[in-house]
Amino acid sequence: AQSVTQLGSHVSVSEGALVLLRCNYSSSVPPYLFWYVQYPNQGLQLLLKYTSAATLVKGINGFEAEFKKSETSFHLTKPSAHMSDAAEYFCAVSEGSQGNLIFGKGTKLSVKP
Amino acid sequence: DSGVTQTPKHLITATGQRVTLRCSPRSGDLSVYWYQQSLDQGLQFLIQYYNGEERAKGNILERFSAQQFPDLHSELNLSSLELGDSALYFCASSVGSRGFTDTQYFGPGTRLTVL
Repeated sequence: AQSVTQLGSHVSVSEGALVLLRCNYSSSVPPYLFWYVQYPNQGLQLLLKYTSAATLVKGINGFEAEFKKSETSFHLTKPSAHMSDAAEYFCAVSEGSQGNLIFGKGTKLSVKP
Repeated sequence: DSGVTQTPKHLITATGQRVTLRCSPRSGDLSVYWYQQSLDQGLQFLIQYYNGEERAKGNILERFSAQQFPDLHSELNLSSLELGDSALYFCASSVGSRGFTDTQYFGPGTRLTVL
């Protein structure tokens, strides 16, 4: 069965610093991986998704993620954090032949001025 | 705005009661998914409907049920409510029946508080 582990429930960075949010997955089949962002009191918005094309996936708002099969990782990065990036980020894997997503516990990103 | 609407936004009720949460998918989307977000369990998949038929089931309690109507809107019914059912309930929709080929678009959620 697929599963997702997000390392670090809270990450704090300074404005302008690199953002790195970690996600490791477990899957017996080639995975489809996603990053979603949730702003306070809002629903989830898709940042990017990996569907076995390019291993480096570019998303919205300057975020990107790299699929590394050997490390079973799909870490999310952004070169320079902005105050508006403060939110909770969820990594997810699609459960095989079904359409539903399995989410990690989430990482809350704080950005200090 | 994802195009997915959910009503009501907030719901406060008492233990033992029954409530209905409503979701309207994006125009053209045939699949509806329900997720529960709670502090202890995180985001968990409950159930999926595709074009009116149940497609997949996750960690959905027997006290909970859902359906998708001919106009493709969906309702999630929660009965014999317990304190632990307090959570944010999200609906998502996608064009097809497989989330890994289609993007799932999430609604703003319904916050349920059981007192």
